Amino acid sequence: TQLLEQSPQFLSIQEGENLTVYCNSSSVFSSLQWYRQEPGEGPVLLVTVVTGGEVKKLKRLTFQFGDARKDSSLHITAAQPGDTGLYLCAGARDSNYQLIWGAGTKLIIKP
Amino acid sequence: DAMVIQNPRYQVTQFGKPVTLSCSQTLNHNVMYWYQQKSSQAPKLLFHYYDKDFNNEADTPDNFQSRRPNTSFCFLDIRSPGLGDAAMYLCATSRGEEGGVQPQHFGDGTRLSIL
Repeated sequence: TQLLEQSPQFLSIQEGENLTVYCNSSSVFSSLQWYRQEPGEGPVLLVTVVTGGEVKKLKRLTFQFGDARKDSSLHITAAQPGDTGLYLCAGARDSNYQLIWGAGTKLIIKP
Repeated sequence: DAMVIQNPRYQVTQFGKPVTLSCSQTLNHNVMYWYQQKSSQAPKLLFHYYDKDFNNEADTPDNFQSRRPNTSFCFLDIRSPGLGDAAMYLCATSRGEEGGVQPQHFGDGTRLSIL
């Protein structure tokens, strides 16, 4: 059983469209991180959310942590080909440094 | 400047021939991790070191071992690679428990192929 469920698993859209990726769990997390991984590279941290209901913005990317700290979403506005990659959510529960990983969302933005 | 460096980037070995992957870090982080990642899936944690303490995941095969001779270096040894071990191997580092939530810093991985 996957502790962190990501959806969709795969998304292919045209440049300029908006999209949302979800990361859901039945468990409470003390924090949640989002990473992006480009082909041939390691994942790179985008953001960490800690407080229930927290919203963080990174240019065209908006991250939200659910009020109950069981879920999170990533919304991309006006997607660009440079947004293409594997998006991973990872949550911390019992420790500050050990993470539970979602299965990832592979995103392709077509020019 | 690269802070987590993995060598080599690509490694080809023969079925059953031992192979060692290396990772070094300039961040002076307490924790070093080894992950296995297959074709756009999530990274799967194999084990991690917290300082010198080794922590093996329950489902990591015995075929996989690790060494951390000092803070900066960590090695992944695959004793007898099988075809199913072909994957990207990612090394990551982070600080430990102190200081709150810790992000993980990844290297660019070593892609292992088995002939």
